[in-house]
Formats: sequence, structure tokens, C-alpha cells
Amino acid sequence: EVQLVESGGGLVHPGGSLRLSCTASGFIFSDHYMDWVRQAPGKGLEWVGRIKNKLNSYITEYAASVRGRFTISRDDSKNSLFLQMNSLKTEDTAVYYCTRGSGWGPGDYWGQGTLVTISS
Amino acid sequence: QSALTQSASRSGSPGQSITLFCTGTRSDISSYNFVSWYQHHPGKAPKLIIYDVTKRPSGVSLRFSGSKSGDTASLTISGLQAEDEADYYCSSYTSTSTNWVFGGGTHLTVL
Repeated sequence: EVQLVESGGGLVHPGGSLRLSCTASGFIFSDHYMDWVRQAPGKGLEWVGRIKNKLNSYITEYAASVRGRFTISRDDSKNSLFLQMNSLKTEDTAVYYCTRGSGWGPGDYWGQGTLVTISS
Repeated sequence: QSALTQSASRSGSPGQSITLFCTGTRSDISSYNFVSWYQHHPGKAPKLIIYDVTKRPSGVSLRFSGSKSGDTASLTISGLQAEDEADYYCSSYTSTSTNWVFGGGTHLTVL
């Protein structure tokens, strides 16, 4: 059974940093692209970014709204995905989901999400 | 404001069929067959129900079907059941700098 479990959410002041983690199980993690998607309170889903697999040189792609502030990385030896978020803004407040991405879309399996709140 | 447009809410009765729509532009739905649909029960992980416009992942009910015409994608749910009450989101690849875009979601109520 595919499982994705996010962690690391919490309350941060504007301008601060936070690192989210996602631990995967139930599939060959190293074979797959991995994405982050977020949902602000009362809003729809927003794709945040992607990291491709080793075969595709671990290329990263980001939404315009987070490019230059967020960094996605992975540790295939630990079946783990990370999202380093810097220069956080109040509009980054959201539930952040880890997803197993693919060439056709942002995810066939999703975690249950971790809440990030940016507030002074 | 989401890149793809969905009705905020829809409702239907058990046993009925309902079609949800997702409207994009020539930068996304019109130009690519990478449309997917997700079912989201609040507090749970979103679930993929349609990908590549019409394909169903293994284990997804045959009651769910997808299609596309021009800049609008559609999700049809036949034989509505109480468990179908959820939020439904569409997604598409986009040629803009963001790669993947979502709709704002449709809340489906089964009366």
C-alpha cells in the first residue's frame, strides 16, 4: 500500500523558514517524480513544485509564486522528500501535500498534508 | 483566483447522474490531454479518479468518467451515492511557467 506521510508543519513568523518532510512507503521511491501541492484556507489546490527522479537528473520545477524561495530535494536512500521554505509570506499559509507525481499530472497518491501557518 | 474555472458547488440526488465542468484556456486544457480529476473528502488525502482526460486508475469506480471538448473538461458521475459527496478538483498541464494548474474545486452535495 502506497503511503505518504508529511511532517514539519507549524507556526512561523513572516520572513522565517521551515522545512517540510515526506516519508514514502509501499513503492520504489527512487523511480518516481515527487511533487508538493498546497491548499490555502478556503481556497483551491495549488501546485508548488516537483523533483524528478535520478534518471531525469533530479531536475526541479517550481510554481512562479514560490520560485527562488522554496527548494525541493530528496533522499532516495531514506525514501524521503523535502521542501525547504524560506522568506515565508502570510500567503504561504496552507496545508502542504506530498504527492507521487508523474508525467501526466501532479499526483496519483497524496499524503494527508501538514499545516503551515505564517503569522506574526 | 485559480487558473481553471469550476463551479463552486453542485448538488444531485442519489441515483442521478451529474457532470462537473472545468474550463481552461488554450494554454492548458485546449492544448494538452493531461487533464486529471481529484476527489477530496476534507481531512483526508485527495484521491485521483481520472487522468489523461478519460483514464481511470485501478480501483476507481466505473461510475466516474471524464471527457474534454475544446477548453472544457468534464467529469461525469453516474448513479450518485452518498459517499460521492466531496470536493472535486480538476488539473491540467499548462504551457505557462507554472507547469500544472488546478481549478478552484466544486463541492458536490448528494441530497
